Amino acid sequence: EAGVVQSPRYKIIEKKQPVAFWCNPISGHNTLYWYLQNLGQGPELLIRYENEEAVDDSQLPKDRFSAERLKGVDSTLKIQPAELGDSAVYLCASSSVWDNEQFFGPGTRLTVL
Amino acid sequence: GENVEQHPSTLSVQEGDSAVIKCTYSDSASNYFPWYKQELGKRPQLIIDIRSNVGEKKDQRIAVTLNKTAKHFSLHITETQPEDSAVYFCAASDNQGGKLIFGQGTELSVKP
Repeated sequence: EAGVVQSPRYKIIEKKQPVAFWCNPISGHNTLYWYLQNLGQGPELLIRYENEEAVDDSQLPKDRFSAERLKGVDSTLKIQPAELGDSAVYLCASSSVWDNEQFFGPGTRLTVL
Repeated sequence: GENVEQHPSTLSVQEGDSAVIKCTYSDSASNYFPWYKQELGKRPQLIIDIRSNVGEKKDQRIAVTLNKTAKHFSLHITETQPEDSAVYFCAASDNQGGKLIFGQGTELSVKP
């Protein structure tokens, strides 16, 4: 069984540019999460989807961040425009209705110059 | 909302010794407590979890204890090995929402 897939693994952009991250969860997992992990800290939830519905986006900075999960499978997280402080690792995770366990992807390391 | 505090931030032990990492949480509604291991540049991976209906759980060299009254839980690693070196994160969830609140992490170093 394939794990959570994310792309790209690394991204370097200049400030004010847009950037997008993609996540493919484990097959059959209806819950998908996007976390932000700053260096030396634990992951922080940005948004959680149940199927295609965003059920918790209270921590998502909506002025510049957006996300979608149109068919309830893959998801995209976008930042426009990026700021220097957005440099971090963006982790995607998924879980099933039967279990609390969240499986993480390898993350996308974003560097904003 | 929930707040999770984790101590210590760094821990260095000799190979074969035990390591203990402690976490406290604030929300009495939390009932799911996983521990993740994250090696440098890699994804967090679940190593053990506990639910609020049990006080202790063991898996080979790893054990987790939970004190609901005091709102704290701990990770115990016995007979540590160099490959146990990593950052360990505790987390708490109210189960209903699935949202994990993570501690700040503990960097464990096992010296051969």
